[in-house]
Amino acid sequence: KAGVTQTPRYLIKTRGQQVTLSCSPISGHRSVSWYQQTPGQGLQFLFEYFSETQRNKGNFPGRFSGRQFSNSRSEMNVSTLELGDSALYLCASSWTNGGNTEAFFGQGTRLTVV
Amino acid sequence: DAKTTQPNSMESNEEEPVHLPCNHSTISGTDYIHWYRQLPSQGPEYVIHGLTSNVNNRMASLAIAEDRKSSTLILHRATLRDAAVYYCILRDSGGGADGLTFGKGTHLIIQP
Repeated sequence: KAGVTQTPRYLIKTRGQQVTLSCSPISGHRSVSWYQQTPGQGLQFLFEYFSETQRNKGNFPGRFSGRQFSNSRSEMNVSTLELGDSALYLCASSWTNGGNTEAFFGQGTRLTVV
Repeated sequence: DAKTTQPNSMESNEEEPVHLPCNHSTISGTDYIHWYRQLPSQGPEYVIHGLTSNVNNRMASLAIAEDRKSSTLILHRATLRDAAVYYCILRDSGGGADGLTFGKGTHLIIQP
């Protein structure tokens, strides 16, 4: 069974640009969550999608958005990039969005904003 | 989701058991206890989770205190590949509003 796939693995963008990251969950999983990891703040929850609906959103500005498609694949978008958006962006998929379910993480997309 | 408290770091020797503690004194009755680990340059990896009873799987064991205010992740025979940051996380049975809330975790160092 293929794991969670995130593309691209690395990205370099300029301040003010926008970026789209992609996540393909494990086959059959309907819940996808996104996290941002930085050395200073650690792992922080961005948002969670289940069956194409955003269920939860973390404390991030509106520049961060996402969506989920009917095949459960998900994308997240960051507009008007800032230097502080440089981070490892991780996607996790799970069968459901309940607490009795394990999450499987991808390798992440390393975004550098210059 | 309720908060957890873990030691910043622990050190152990290869091929010895490791007991990683976690305190969660404000846990609610519907909170599951999850453990994840993150190896260098990789995404987090699920280790184990439980509600009330002790749990075992191929990676580790989870011992949950009777009052559920603390738990211990047990690696029965540590290898160098177990060196990672281990996170203890509480997740409400309904999923909660904040996804998986990662704290700073315990940095486990394995000495050969």
